[in-house]
Amino acid sequence: QKEVEQDPGPLSVPEGAIVSLNCTYSNSAFQYFMWYRQYSRKGPELLMYTYSSGNKEDGRFTAQVDKSSKYISLFIRDSQPSDSATYLCASSDGSNYKLTFGKGTLLTVNP
Amino acid sequence: DTEVTQTPKHLVMGMTNKKSLKCEQHMGHRAMYWYKQKAKKPPELMFVYSYEKLSINESVPSRFSPECPNSSLLNLHLHALQPEDSALYLCASSQVSGIDRQYFGPGTRLTVL
Repeated sequence: QKEVEQDPGPLSVPEGAIVSLNCTYSNSAFQYFMWYRQYSRKGPELLMYTYSSGNKEDGRFTAQVDKSSKYISLFIRDSQPSDSATYLCASSDGSNYKLTFGKGTLLTVNP
Repeated sequence: DTEVTQTPKHLVMGMTNKKSLKCEQHMGHRAMYWYKQKAKKPPELMFVYSYEKLSINESVPSRFSPECPNSSLLNLHLHALQPEDSALYLCASSQVSGIDRQYFGPGTRLTVL
């Protein structure tokens, strides 16, 4: 079992929809959780960074971590075509420099 | 500013060539990373430098040789690569601690013929 599981999709939604992207993880030592957005043929861009459980909001994006169920979520409100990208979740236990990535979910927002 | 720059953007090389990838950051970060990413896969960590010293080498073949000349620069020297080494090579940087955010560059798309 991979340490971070993420449904690769693809996920296709109409413009304006609320998008929910999810990951699960198995390593109880993970405390730091990230979401990266990667456009085609570009480098990953850090969207959200959270520590431990709880919610974090930044504009249209909300990251949620539930450590009791080992579940990580990213919500995108009022989705736009410019949100079309691959979204990667990543986790770390903070003891070294290693991030454990999910496989990434390919999202398409249709105008 | 959270910018990591990488040159070149694209590189095509033969199996007998020697080439180098370059990465630069001016955020004062003291940890720098090389990742390899194949199509439709997440990035795979290759090397980590902390305070200009090699901290992690993920059992990468010796045809990849990293170098950190100073705290702002990171190079990846390439020699005798194989076609299966064709990929997007990503540089990232962070503050020194393992809990800090990693910021990625745009990558170098490498094709080995």
